[in-house]
Amino acid sequence: DVQLVESGGGLAQPGGSLTLYCAASEFSFKNYWMHWVRQVPGKGLVWVSRINSDGSSTTYADSVKGRFTISRDNAQNTLYLRMNTLRVEDTAVYYCVREAWGNHMDVWGKGTTVTVSS
Amino acid sequence: EIVLTQSPGTLSLSPGERATLSCRASQSVGRNYLAWYQQKPGQAPRLLIYGASSTATGIPERFSGSGSGTDFTLTISRLEPEDSAVYYCQQYDLSPRTFGQGTKVEIK
Repeated sequence: DVQLVESGGGLAQPGGSLTLYCAASEFSFKNYWMHWVRQVPGKGLVWVSRINSDGSSTTYADSVKGRFTISRDNAQNTLYLRMNTLRVEDTAVYYCVREAWGNHMDVWGKGTTVTVSS
Repeated sequence: EIVLTQSPGTLSLSPGERATLSCRASQSVGRNYLAWYQQKPGQAPRLLIYGASSTATGIPERFSGSGSGTDFTLTISRLEPEDSAVYYCQQYDLSPRTFGQGTKVEIK
């Protein structure tokens, strides 16, 4: 089955950094655009960032622009999210999501939890 | 950005009843690039509908989507107990991609 598995979440201090990972399997990762979406527990879904298939184009939500960096290694079938200058409001479950050929998001990972607290 | 407003906030219905969920956009969603997701507690969202009315693979026939422009609807024709969840709409026409705030469906 097509699978996305996130890791790298944990506890970070305000102003600190964390890198999230997403391992893709059972599909041709290099051919798909990918996204990160986050969700504060008990709240709604918020799109964070997107990267095209070869990594040459990225976009970010205004709330993370300049602090977060999305990247990918197609040889390793892995998506990354480098998060710098973390804020308490970045606390959330972060999902790795595949973009289907029709541009909608079709496959979601189970998520990894990031907690920013002193 | 396109703001999506879902209604009602909570829907409480009995098994076998019909559920109608609404998603209204602050501006027209081009190419009908509107999706619906189901999320159960502790789980990731699951794609139900894309392109406003196309059903995703493996989704039961009781789920259907309709609408265009600024008004979209998700219909669950005959509720099953396992349909208890929060349902989100999302537009993927313009960046940033935005989600509605969700409709919680409770099964009595």
